[in-house]
Amino acid sequence: GAGVSQSPSNKVTEKGKDVELRCDPISGHTALYWYRQSLGQGLEFLIYFQGNSAPDKSGLPSDRFSAERTGGSVSTLTIQRTQQEDSAVYLCASSPRLALAKNIQYFGAGTRLSVL
Amino acid sequence: GNSVTQMEGPVTLSEEAFLTINCTYTATGYPSLFWYVQYPGEGLQLLLKATKADDKGSNKGFEATYRKETTSFHLEKGSVQVSDSAVYFCALTNGGATNKLIFGTGTLLAVQP
Repeated sequence: GAGVSQSPSNKVTEKGKDVELRCDPISGHTALYWYRQSLGQGLEFLIYFQGNSAPDKSGLPSDRFSAERTGGSVSTLTIQRTQQEDSAVYLCASSPRLALAKNIQYFGAGTRLSVL
Repeated sequence: GNSVTQMEGPVTLSEEAFLTINCTYTATGYPSLFWYVQYPGEGLQLLLKATKADDKGSNKGFEATYRKETTSFHLEKGSVQVSDSAVYFCALTNGGATNKLIFGTGTLLAVQP
């Protein structure tokens, strides 16, 4: 079946512009995660959605970052007024309900963001 | 807080050599431990996992044993292949409402023919 799909695969933007990154999780997965992979910081958690519960936004690095998950499926990560330090690969992962998943997360190929 | 430390890379080996990538962790309670692999140009894939002390995860000839006494989860393979060249990430989750993954910095493995 289809895996986690992310778009675009690459995004080049100018400093100060806003960008939107999209994630289509595996159908039926209720949990959705965003992570960031950057040279200086490694792989770090950004935000977590689980069903209709309030998201865990504890990993978002600043208020320029926000994310939505509409209808419990597709998620969009928005970065406003991009800075050069936002350049990274943004990874999305999804997971079935925890009791069944035994903690396994399935990752997309990521969006490589370059801020010039 | 929770954290994962893994050996710096790159690790360069000849085909059929023995591989060890060290991983240690700091966590409260009883975390689940993982190795993820990222092949060139691809997304992260789960390689193996262990959910309690003394469990051994294994897949594709790779193994790792959950050692609570040494807080370690070292990755091993007896005979590496060129196709094993990738970046390997050790990670943990510590339950809770989020179950987020906490990753090590990754170790690049390059296997030469």
